[in-house]
Amino acid sequence: DIQMTQSPSSLSASVGDRVTITCRASQGISNNLAWFQQKPGKAPKSLIYLASRLQSGVPSKFSGSGSGTDFTLTISSLQPEDFATYYCQQYNTYPRTFGQGTKVEIK
Amino acid sequence: QVQLQQWGAGLLKPSETLSLICAVYGGPFSGYYWSWIRQPPGKGLEWIGEMNDSGSINYNPSLKSRVTISVDTSKNQFSLKLSSVTAADTAVYYCTRGQGIAIWGQGTMVTVSS
Repeated sequence: DIQMTQSPSSLSASVGDRVTITCRASQGISNNLAWFQQKPGKAPKSLIYLASRLQSGVPSKFSGSGSGTDFTLTISSLQPEDFATYYCQQYNTYPRTFGQGTKVEIK
Repeated sequence: QVQLQQWGAGLLKPSETLSLICAVYGGPFSGYYWSWIRQPPGKGLEWIGEMNDSGSINYNPSLKSRVTISVDTSKNQFSLKLSSVTAADTAVYYCTRGQGIAIWGQGTMVTVSS
């Protein structure tokens, strides 16, 4: 199985900060990577697919980059509604696998 | 706008079979990837299995011996069955659409307890 490792596991940031989350795959996955946002008690929300393409309706403050084994999710200016847990997922190979999550908290 | 509506029994006893259905509203069924994902309380996301756009089904090897995903295209529905459940199968179960998942169902909490 491909292991997906996110860093950091948690971070504290202030409103207006630029935040970057990293996801590393244990082997190359081309650009077959998605990012999700999850708030407590809610279903995940899809943000990005194919590493850098925004899902419909997702604001442009979210951006993704990377290919191969190293990927990043960036939030350009953190807003109160962005405090949540973020997950990456590879869909290059079966079984699909997720990162362990990154919790973004208010500083 | 495409929506996924899921339902099924929320409380099971050990050794019973979990059964969930996901209905697709507002969009076509064919030509997409459909999957099931679960999340134990307080933990991360685990992929259970997926049907691709040509109808082939792949399962997580860790669950493969107990899982069945099936499709009823006439009803625009797909289903999940997980046999011989234990407390470790307690989780919120989600149905999703897309290889790079675009749409999620609302989730169904399934508790396994004697």
